[in-house]
Amino acid sequence: GESVGLHLPTLSVQEGDNSIINCAYSNSASDYFIWYKQESGKGPQFIIDIRSNMDKRQGQRVTVLLNKTVKHLSLQIAATQPGDSAVYFCAESPYSGGGADGLTFGKGTHLIIQP
Amino acid sequence: NAGVTQTPKFQVLKTGQSMTLQCAQDMNHNSMYWYRQDPGMGLRLIYYSASEGTTDKGEVPNGYNVSRLNKREFSLRLESAAPSQTSVYFCAGGGIFYEQYFGPGTRLTVT
Repeated sequence: GESVGLHLPTLSVQEGDNSIINCAYSNSASDYFIWYKQESGKGPQFIIDIRSNMDKRQGQRVTVLLNKTVKHLSLQIAATQPGDSAVYFCAESPYSGGGADGLTFGKGTHLIIQP
Repeated sequence: NAGVTQTPKFQVLKTGQSMTLQCAQDMNHNSMYWYRQDPGMGLRLIYYSASEGTTDKGEVPNGYNVSRLNKREFSLRLESAAPSQTSVYFCAGGGIFYEQYFGPGTRLTVT
């Protein structure tokens, strides 16, 4: 079936550097995308979302980029801090406005921060 | 404002036993969801409830049942637990754009 995936299971970065986490999706009908952060032993935490009518959206220290041509989503974290260490998931929905019938999640990238 | 709460936090069952996982949200969400997460995997949707009074199957519904008790509460029941149901279970509430807010999870082991 169609799915959302991530390029790397693990990403190691130096504290203070910028991090870029990538996600490829296969459903060309996907219209709504979300990035989640999951710390060890906790539930996923909403970070930022983007609709398919946008190609960039910024939050606090985070930016999500969407390239619909190649079906690619990325999360950029500026000035990575130890507290950013977590597993990051992208998720998608084919429905405008998200849709009530759930999200499809990728497998996750574990971001490791080196001191 | 607690967001989404789940009980219990941990549970060990023997094969064949039954149990109900509880979920409650105080965010006035219409939609609610149950997912399971297995090691190294993303979350997979078990069941969801688009609104009070409705429930629908997700990707992996076999072996589970759900009840949307009211707008706040959405429970997941395992009638006859199997080792394959060992997992971490997350409940979520859906926001206005259906972005989802998750509870802390229930860690279930079936021996």
